[in-house]
Amino acid sequence: GQSLEQPSEVTAVEGAIVQINCTYQTSGFYGLSWYQQHDGGAPTFLSYNALDGLEETGRFSSFLSRSDSYGYLLLQELQMKDSASYFCAVRSWTSSGSARQLTFGSGTQLTVLP
Amino acid sequence: DGGITQSPKYLFRKEGQNVTLSCEQNLNHDAMYWYRQDPGQGLRLIYYSQIVNDFQKGDIAEGYSVSREKKESFPLTVTSAQKNPTAFYLCASSPDGGGYTFGSGTRLTVV
Repeated sequence: GQSLEQPSEVTAVEGAIVQINCTYQTSGFYGLSWYQQHDGGAPTFLSYNALDGLEETGRFSSFLSRSDSYGYLLLQELQMKDSASYFCAVRSWTSSGSARQLTFGSGTQLTVLP
Repeated sequence: DGGITQSPKYLFRKEGQNVTLSCEQNLNHDAMYWYRQDPGQGLRLIYYSQIVNDFQKGDIAEGYSVSREKKESFPLTVTSAQKNPTAFYLCASSPDGGGYTFGSGTRLTVV
């Protein structure tokens, strides 16, 4: 089976830096994605790592270590609007080797305080 | 603008009733997915389809059915066999190997 672990809650203040970790167990690993979801809304794609290393997109960066089955999302210069749930998701091959699908973690609720 | 449209936004189902949730995309994506989200939890895969006229069960397919007769459409039917259907249902699509685009969701409540 597949499993992902991430912290359930993180709190930080405006302007700070926060790191949300994600560890995973899966067969047929292909890549690690991050999604943001505001209350009652649809998840939106933030980043994707297929190779080891850091990917930077504006204030958000994502890191992957395939050997450690570990990744993290780094949010810099936090703003109030960053308060949301953040999900890591593993993309993997099915047992038949014919499809790639996402398995989501349970999400980390980030609260940004003024 | 391209995107995914889910309807209705809110749906109420009586006990023993089947209901169908609509999902339409104009992104020309081959793959489409249905996820279920319960309060404070992550997304669990119900069904997915990589191409027209083909679909596969996800992790929690029992009590659900789908069809993929057109590339643009992937409706989900919640049958009476699904004993706890109250949840937030999200449809998504993706190009091959690409990031997912999600619809705005349907909130289903059993009354």
